[in-house]
Amino acid sequence: SQKIEQNSEALNIQEGKTATLTCNYTNYSPAYLQWYRQDPGRGPVFLLLIRENEKEKRKERLKVTFDTTLKQSLFHITASQPADSATYLCALRLWTGGSYIPTFGRGTSLIVHP
Amino acid sequence: DGGITQSPKYLFRKEGQNVTLSCEQNLNHDAMYWYRQDPGQGLRLIYYSQIVNDFQKGDIAEGYSVSREKKESFPLTVTSAQKNPTAFYLCASRDRSSGRSYEQYFGPGTRLTVT
Repeated sequence: SQKIEQNSEALNIQEGKTATLTCNYTNYSPAYLQWYRQDPGRGPVFLLLIRENEKEKRKERLKVTFDTTLKQSLFHITASQPADSATYLCALRLWTGGSYIPTFGRGTSLIVHP
Repeated sequence: DGGITQSPKYLFRKEGQNVTLSCEQNLNHDAMYWYRQDPGQGLRLIYYSQIVNDFQKGDIAEGYSVSREKKESFPLTVTSAQKNPTAFYLCASRDRSSGRSYEQYFGPGTRLTVT
């Protein structure tokens, strides 16, 4: 069966350090992968999309890598700030035979300490 | 302002009652989705609709029903057949026609508590 895995344990880091979150998947061959941010009690917000032919994507302090051989995406936040504390979700789109269905990982909670 | 609205933010119901959650969008998006999120869990897809008057079951459709009579509206009914209805419900939409068609826009969510 297809599966998306993200670290269930919270990641605690000090302000100013780089946070690295991992998304692993099995039995997919996704055309692209997305990352979302979710704050407590709110809906997720789209951050970045990376396609299978892209090794790396950047947006301000965010960087995403996509290794289709390892079936893994890494999400980096450089110079992290307490305001970056949130849960980060990765998402793939699964072909069901009729359409593409978005499928989300459980998310990893990031806590940035001042 | 464009966006997705869900109402109410908090909803309380007695067991055995049906309840309908509202989702409205003014983004002119074709596709709409309903997800359920439980504590420490990811988003699980309940139903989705790619166009008006058409919708498909997601991974956990049992005990739920939807309608899509208008492009901007996709209400979700949680029926009494749903065994564990207490959860955080999220509605999302997506523009299938533009180059940014992969991004999903989420509403603020409705937290349903059934006792």
